[in-house]
Amino acid sequence: DIQMTQSPSSLSASIGDRVTITCRASEDVSNYLNWYQQKPGKAPELLIYGASSLQSGVPPRFSGSGSGTDFTLTITSLQPEDFATYFCQQSYKIPPWTFGQGTKVEVK
Amino acid sequence: EVQLVESGGGLVKPGGSLRLSCTASGFSLSDYNMNWVRQVPGKGLEWVSSISSSGSYIYYADSAKGRFTISRDSPKNSLFLQMNSLRVEDTALYFCVRRTSVWNWFGPWGQGTLVTVSS
Repeated sequence: DIQMTQSPSSLSASIGDRVTITCRASEDVSNYLNWYQQKPGKAPELLIYGASSLQSGVPPRFSGSGSGTDFTLTITSLQPEDFATYFCQQSYKIPPWTFGQGTKVEVK
Repeated sequence: EVQLVESGGGLVKPGGSLRLSCTASGFSLSDYNMNWVRQVPGKGLEWVSSISSSGSYIYYADSAKGRFTISRDSPKNSLFLQMNSLRVEDTALYFCVRRTSVWNWFGPWGQGTLVTVSS
């Protein structure tokens, strides 16, 4: 199974900050890498699929990059509604679909 | 509007069984690959099981093999997860999730149903 490792596990940031979260796969997943946002008490929601394609309705301050084993989620100017936990997921060598352990973005 | 609503969670003793249900609206379950994903509250996400749109391909996580069974009732537009021989470590919020065929991303998700396995 492919292991997904996110870093950091948590970070503190302020409104307007640029935030970067990384995700590393234990083997090549091409660009089959998805990012989800989860707010407390809610189900996850898709932000980015295919490593860099923005899901419809997601603000353009979110962007994704990378291929192979190393990926990045960037929020260019953090907004109050962006404080949440972010998960990466590989959908290349399946089953199983595997997720990173999550990165919690907290208020500084 | 596309919506998934899970039910059937609850408190069960180790070794017991539960059947989770997921009712879909706004689309036909048989047109999509459907999945169960679970999450220990405050922890990460774990894919549990998948059934293809045709029903021909069914997959389970190693943690679920031999104990869980995924199925669906197309006329009722419902997805199920029969969980037997439950263990304490199966305690989690179980989400019903639709999956795309092209990039295999997950969404939309239901709100989840909580399964607690405890003596």
